[in-house]
Amino acid sequence: GENVEQHPSTLSVQEGDSAVIKCTYSDSASNYFPWYKQELGKGPQLIIDIRSNVGEKKDQRIAVTLNKTAKHFSLHITETQPEDSAVYFCAASMVVAAGNKLTFGGGTRVLVKP
Amino acid sequence: KAGVTQTPRYLIKTRGQQVTLSCSPISGHRSVSWYQQTPGQGLQFLFEYFSETQRNKGNFPGRFSGRQFSNSRSEMNVSTLELGDSALYLCASSSGLSNTGELFFGEGSRLTVL
Repeated sequence: GENVEQHPSTLSVQEGDSAVIKCTYSDSASNYFPWYKQELGKGPQLIIDIRSNVGEKKDQRIAVTLNKTAKHFSLHITETQPEDSAVYFCAASMVVAAGNKLTFGGGTRVLVKP
Repeated sequence: KAGVTQTPRYLIKTRGQQVTLSCSPISGHRSVSWYQQTPGQGLQFLFEYFSETQRNKGNFPGRFSGRQFSNSRSEMNVSTLELGDSALYLCASSSGLSNTGELFFGEGSRLTVL
């Protein structure tokens, strides 16, 4: 089955700096790569996703890049703010008519210091 | 639009007991997935239900079961509880249609097994 590795497990950045989280996946059939943000006491919330037919996607201060050949994808957060402090999870799945199940990475705890 | 609702939010059980958790998806969503979140294993997929049928299953023992009702509400049951079952159980709903990967998570049911 799919295996997703995520690094680093913790990341501390100064407010205004950039944060980068990297993930690798094992199943070349995976075609959907979402990123979720989980704040304390809440469930994960989708912040951005990318599909295998796209190499990069941006949404304001966040961007995701995908390298299908190397089977890795990354999350980039620019101009970090204290509200970006949370746990971030990458995931991979194969979205098909028969439903999808996400395989998550181990998570990255991001702390943005003011 | 109401989000995903999980009940109960917190519960304490003892080893050997069984527990039932409930999930009400977003109105109109037909797919409900369940995930187990623990500090050691991260987020792990349990199963997915779509239109009252189990569509995908993770690698959990048969003590973990679920079902979905005609109104898309779902329940999961864990029998013969073990200490290692202590976790946050997250429910996520989606439209269930192909090429629509986003999952909307509830805030979870935190189970403590003593």
